[in-house]
Formats: sequence, structure tokens, C-alpha cells
Amino acid sequence: KAGVTQTPRYLIKTRGQQVTLSCSPISGHRSVSWYQQTPGQGLQFLFEYFSETQRNKGNFPGRFSGRQFSNSRSEMNVSTLELGDSALYLCASSLGSGLKNEQFFGPGTRLTVL
Amino acid sequence: AQSVSQHNHHVILSEAASLELGCNYSYGGTVNLFWYVQYPGQHLQLLLKYFSGDPLVKGIKGFEAEFIKSKFSFNLRKPSVQWSDTAEYFCAVNDPWGGSQGNLIFGKGTKLSVKP
Repeated sequence: KAGVTQTPRYLIKTRGQQVTLSCSPISGHRSVSWYQQTPGQGLQFLFEYFSETQRNKGNFPGRFSGRQFSNSRSEMNVSTLELGDSALYLCASSLGSGLKNEQFFGPGTRLTVL
Repeated sequence: AQSVSQHNHHVILSEAASLELGCNYSYGGTVNLFWYVQYPGQHLQLLLKYFSGDPLVKGIKGFEAEFIKSKFSFNLRKPSVQWSDTAEYFCAVNDPWGGSQGNLIFGKGTKLSVKP
């Protein structure tokens, strides 16, 4: 069974630009969560989508947004990029959205903002 | 708000030494607890989890963790480490107010280096 895939793996942008990251969950998984990983803040929850609906959102500004498609694939978008947005963005998928569903993580997209 | 503390930033051990990595969470209600591992160049993967029941949880690769509710702790242990255990280890707890496992709160991680 293929794992969670994320594209692109690496991305370089400049301040003020916007970026879209993509995540394909494991086949059959309907929940996708996004996390930001930085050396200073560690892993921080961005948002979760289940059946095309945002279920929960972390404490990030409105510049961070996401969506989920009917095939469960998800995208996250960051507008008006700032230097501090440089991070590894991880996507995780799970079968459902309940507390006991194990999350499987993808390799991440490394975003560098210059 | 819920938070997770991992006391050691970097641990260096020799092969065959015993390992214990500390993890404490702040919220005292019903929680689900996890340890994830990230081997160099690989994805985060689940080592073990605790939802309820026996507070001593066994995971993959010989790891175990003990949930001590009175101490808000979920320490990870392994009796004898191997060089292949070199990795970064993350403790995580679900956010009970979020109502969804999507709200995993992670600790900052502990890097384990095992000398052959």
C-alpha cells in the first residue's frame, strides 16, 4: 500500500509570494491533517480535513488555508509569504477523524522563503 | 492550553545501554498519548500509543512506555539500545478540546545518538 505522498518535496519562494502544497493520503483514508515543523517551535498543528470539511484549525494566521477534495487529496495554501514561514510542512492521513485513528505521516515539503 | 514537555534535547548513549526519555503533558483529563520516531531521512512513524487500560504499553522495536496519570508522564523506555535506534523521538498528546485526533500536540523532540 502506498504511503502518504507530498509534492513538491522542496520549494523556494520569496517574501510576498504565495505557495500551494499538495498531499495525497493513503488509499481509503479520509482524514488529512497538516503540521508545520520548525527548529524553534517544533511540530505545530495547522488544520485537519475530513470528508472535504475542515474539522479543526490550529493557531495560525488566516494566510494559511487548506482544502480537501472528494478523493481525499488535500492542498494547503500560504499567501503573502514571510521569512518565518520557512519550515517543513508535514501531512498526515488517517482512516477517520476519531481520537483513536492512527495518523500516518508523509515525507514533508521543505519550504524556504527568501 | 495543553502542552508537552520533553526534558532532554539530545541524549547520547553507547550500544546496550538502557534508555529512558521523559515526557510530561500539562492537561490532567482524559488524554491519548503517543510516541513517534523519525529516523534520519525517513518519515515520522508511530512507535506506540496509549488510549486506556494497562498503563504499560509495548510498541515496535522493543520500545515500551509507562503512563503515570498522577505525574502526567508518559516516559519511553528501552532496556538495550542499538545503533539503529539513532533517531529523533517525539512525544505527543491529543488535544481533548479539539474532539479530533487531528489536534496532536507534540513535544519539541529528543535526539538520540547511539554510539556503536
